Amino acid sequence: QVQVQQWGAGLLKPSETLSLTCTVYGGSFRGYYWTWIRQPPGKGLEWIGEVNYSGINNYNPSLKSRVTMSVDTSKNQFSLKLTSVTAADTAVYFCARGIAGVWGQGTLVTVSS
Amino acid sequence: DIQMTQSPSSLSASVGDRVTITCRASQGIRNDLDWYQQKPGKAPKRLISAASSLQSGVPSRFSGSGSGTEFTLTISSLQPEDFATYYCLQHNNYPYTFGQGTKLDFK
Repeated sequence: QVQVQQWGAGLLKPSETLSLTCTVYGGSFRGYYWTWIRQPPGKGLEWIGEVNYSGINNYNPSLKSRVTMSVDTSKNQFSLKLTSVTAADTAVYFCARGIAGVWGQGTLVTVSS
Repeated sequence: DIQMTQSPSSLSASVGDRVTITCRASQGIRNDLDWYQQKPGKAPKRLISAASSLQSGVPSRFSGSGSGTEFTLTISSLQPEDFATYYCLQHNNYPYTFGQGTKLDFK
C-alpha cells in the first residue's frame, strides 16, 4: 500500500525559503504526477502544482514565480521550494500522489518574524 | 482559471438525513471532478473520482453525479462519521481548482 511521508521546516521568517520533501513508500514512483496543495488555517484548499518523475511540472500561476518542484527518483522523493515567503504563505502544506489520490500527513508552515 | 462554486457553504443535518452538495464550474470540465472529505486536523480523503466513481473502501451511501458544469455529491443516509468538510476539485484545466468547501455539522 502506497504511503507518502513528508517533512520540512515548520517555522520561517519573512523572506526565507520554504522547503518540504515527501518520500513515497510501497508503490511506483514513475508513472505519476506528484502534487503539492496547501491550506491556510481555517480556510480552503489551494493547488500549488505538480511534478512528474522526469521533472516535468505544472505550477499555479499565482505562485509560479516563487515555486520550484523537483524529484529525486533514486530516493522516491519529490520536493517543494517556495521563495520569499510572507505571512500569507502560512498554511498546512500537503503532498499527494497524482490528482490528490494518496496524501501525506501535512506540515504546518508558519511564517512569522 | 476555472472557478468552482460550491453550495451550500455550510449545512446542518441529522443522522439518517439525505444531503446533497453541489459544485458548479465556470466552464465545462467534462467529468474531470473529484470529491474529498476532510476531518479536522487530517488530510483530505478522496471519495469520488471522475464525477461518479466511488473510491475503494468508501461506503456506498456516497454517490456523485454530473458532467459539464454541474455536479452533485449525495450522502443517502448520514452517519455520525460523515460530519466533516467536503470539497470538490476540478482537474480539467490548469491550474486545478477546489470549491470553497461545505461544512456539514449536526443540526
